Formats: sequence, structure tokens, C-alpha cells
Amino acid sequence: SQQGEEDPQALSIQEGENATMNCSYKTSINNLQWYRQNSGRGLVHLILIRSNEREKHSGRLRVTLDTSKKSSSLLITASRAADTASYFCATGNQGGKLIFGQGTELSVKP
Amino acid sequence: EPEVTQTPSHQVTQMGQEVILRCVPISNHLYFYWYRQILGQKVEFLVSFYNNEISEKSEIFDDQFSVERPDGSNFTLKIRSTKLEDSAMYFCASSEQAAGYTFGSGTRLTVV
Repeated sequence: SQQGEEDPQALSIQEGENATMNCSYKTSINNLQWYRQNSGRGLVHLILIRSNEREKHSGRLRVTLDTSKKSSSLLITASRAADTASYFCATGNQGGKLIFGQGTELSVKP
Repeated sequence: EPEVTQTPSHQVTQMGQEVILRCVPISNHLYFYWYRQILGQKVEFLVSFYNNEISEKSEIFDDQFSVERPDGSNFTLKIRSTKLEDSAMYFCASSEQAAGYTFGSGTRLTVV
């Protein structure tokens, strides 16, 4: 079964605007994580939210988790051109295995 | 900031050859992982390793794959007889607990 599916698949915004990406999953989770990947590069861990948490902030990032709806959202406020990247959600089990979604390609135009 | 180091950054190999991808996890981390990403596709879990043994593996991780922690610092992924479809970016990751990984920058494997 699919897990950690993001929408939209692509998002294009102007610098200064907020970007919201959503993630849905199917099975129970221990945690949900968001990662960023610049083209052809490695994965950068952004934020982790545990299954008993509802919201978490880190700088310009805000993540919510609704376990009843099996969904999460990532909000990037006041976006910058440097935020242009692919963003992935990944659900984690107790053993640490992550299942990634297809990702959202974010383009922030200066 | 501590990093996970992967070498080489790019490896080209002939079909049927064996390759070893190397990783140096963060020194106080206890959990180690390999993932791969075929071009244009999602990142896929291969294997997790804890306490000197495989703790979980995916269906992709068949008999052609093996992992080893030969000393206190390296963590390797071996593909015994590479196929064209093994061409992908391979990522190593480590974590102190089973969450909140640090990923390496990856090895791009091209099988020709």
C-alpha cells in the first residue's frame, strides 16, 4: 500500500508567500518526518513530529499532524528563492524504517 | 555539525560486477540504514541495521545485497552481481535513536 503521499506534486509561488504541502498516509505510525532534497543532492532532515504531537515549529517551518485523518502538513512561511527544492514526507515505524512519499516540487520565484 | 560521509560520490560499473558502497555514519549513532532512489522516483527503504545485525529489510534487499559493519566506523552495502535496474542514488543514514536521521549525500551508481 502507498504511504506518505504528498500533494500538490508541484507548487510554484512568489518569494515572500507561504507554501503549504500536504501528506497523507495509510497505516499507523510512530512519527512523521519532512525532508528537503535539492536537485540531485542528499536528503536534509527538516522536522520530526511524533504520533502523540499535533503541531511543531522550527524557524519558518510549521508542521501539523492529524492522526485521525492520517495526514500532515508542512507550512513554509515567507518563502525565499533558496527554499526551491523537493519536499518529502516520510512515515517512521518503531524500528526506524521510513517510507517516503513521491514529494512536492516547490519552486519559489524571486 | 557531524556528517554522514559516503564514498564514492559516483560509481560506474559493468553489469554483473560486484560493487561496495561505503558509508561512515556519525560516531555515536547506533542505527544505520540504506535507502535508494531511482531517478525520478521516490526514496525506497532497503535495510536497517542495529546492534551488528539487520533489524529490517525490504523486498528489494534480496540475496544480491548484503551489509556489513567491518569495523567501528564503516558501514558498507555490497551488491554482488549488479543489474541495469540497480542504477540509482544510494543513501546511507544513521540515527542515535530510531528517528531523526542524518543522511549522507549519496552515491550515484550507474550500471552499464
